[in-house]
Amino acid sequence: EVQLVESGGGLVQPGRSLRLSCAASGFTFDDYAMHWVRQAPGKGLEWVSGISWNSGSIGYADSVKGRFTISRDNAKNSLYLQMNSLRAEDTALYYCAKVSGYDLDDAFDIWGQGTMVTVSS
Amino acid sequence: QSVLTQPPSVSGAPGQRVTISCTGSSSNIGAGYDVHWYQQLPGTAPKLLIYGNSNRPSGVPDRFSGSKSGTSASLAITGLQAEDEADYYCQSYDSSLSGLYVFGTGTKVTVL
Repeated sequence: EVQLVESGGGLVQPGRSLRLSCAASGFTFDDYAMHWVRQAPGKGLEWVSGISWNSGSIGYADSVKGRFTISRDNAKNSLYLQMNSLRAEDTALYYCAKVSGYDLDDAFDIWGQGTMVTVSS
Repeated sequence: QSVLTQPPSVSGAPGQRVTISCTGSSSNIGAGYDVHWYQQLPGTAPKLLIYGNSNRPSGVPDRFSGSKSGTSASLAITGLQAEDEADYYCQSYDSSLSGLYVFGTGTKVTVL
C-alpha cells in the first residue's frame, strides 16, 4: 500500500524551531519529487515547498523562504522540513505529498494525513 | 496567497449538476500548465479527484469531470450525491517569481 506518514508536529513558541518528517512506503521513493503543503485552521491549502527526486531542484513559497529548509534521504525513504524562526501564522496542518509523474505540473497523487504545528507562547 | 480564484460555495439538490470554476492567469493556467482538482472531505486529507485537466484517477466516479479553456478551468459534478459534500480545490503550476505551485481558494459544495 502506498503510504505517507508525517510526524514531528507539536506546540512551539514563536521564534523556535521544529523539524517535520514524512516516511514513505509502497513506492519507489527516489523516483519522485515530493512536496509539503499546509492548511491553517479553517483555511485553504497552501503550497510550502518542493524537492526533486535527487534534491537537485528545490523551491519555497515566499511566506517561508529563508526560514524553512526541505530535504530528503532517499536511503531512508524520508522527507523532511526544517522550520526555523516560527511565527504564529505558520500554525497549520502540514501534509507531505507525492508527485504523480516527472513533469513540473504533475498532480499530487498521494497525501499523508498531516501533522499539526501550533506556534504560540 | 492563492492566485487561482474559486467561488466560496456552490450548492445543489441530490441528482443535480453543479460546476466549480477556477480562474487563473497567463502565468499558470493560461501558460498551458495542467490543472488538477482535489476533494477534501471533512476532517480528512485532500484526495486527487481530477488530474491533467480532465483525467480521473482509478476509483473516481465518472460523475466528476474537468475541463480547461484559456486561463480558466472547471469541475463538474453530475448526479450530485450526499457524499459529494466536501471542499474542492484546483491546483496548477505557476511560472511567475512569486510562487511555483498554486492552489485555488477552495469551494465548499453543499448538498441540499
